[in-house]
Amino acid sequence: GIQVEQSPPDLILQEGANSTLRCNFSDSVNNLQWFHQNPWGQLINLFYIPSGTKQNGRLSAMTVATERYSLLYISSSQTTDSGVYFCAGAYGGSQGNLIFGKGTKLSVKP
Amino acid sequence: ETGVTQSPTHLIKTRGQQVTLRCSSQSGHNTVSWYQQALGQGPQFIFQYYREEENGRGNFPPRFSGLQFPNYSSELNVNALELDDSALYLCASSTTGSYGYTFGSGTRLTVV
Repeated sequence: GIQVEQSPPDLILQEGANSTLRCNFSDSVNNLQWFHQNPWGQLINLFYIPSGTKQNGRLSAMTVATERYSLLYISSSQTTDSGVYFCAGAYGGSQGNLIFGKGTKLSVKP
Repeated sequence: ETGVTQSPTHLIKTRGQQVTLRCSSQSGHNTVSWYQQALGQGPQFIFQYYREEENGRGNFPPRFSGLQFPNYSSELNVNALELDDSALYLCASSTTGSYGYTFGSGTRLTVV
């Protein structure tokens, strides 16, 4: 099956710093998305980004589908950005079967 | 617009018992998916329900079963609980043809 690798597994930042999170896929995927899991366990959708670039405030994402990777950029990080960031994608004709990576655990220190 | 609500939030069961977890989908959503998230791992797809029928299943044994009701809410049932079933169970609702998912906060199941 498709493998999703995220790096780095852990990241500690000082408030105000920038960061880049990476997601590599072993095969072509559709429905590529980035999520943030808050300390209460809820997954919040950040971006649906099968290709190209998108920006939402301090967050932006880029997917290069032909090279099977996606990047999530966090600028001017805040303590509220702490949590686990996941990328996920579906393959074939499946819409609901999202395959998640193991996540990047981000800790932003004041 | 209400989000996805799951109940209960926490649950402790004994090995061999059965458990039912519940999920109310977001208003306007007709599809519900269930995921299992072990500690330190990403969520794993269990199955999806659409129009009250299973519409895709991950690599989980038959003792994991589900239901979807006419109001699109859903249940996840797990029989013969094993210690490895201890995890956070997440429910996500969506609309067919849309890639937007709304996740609930999950039910944390502990099997002892």
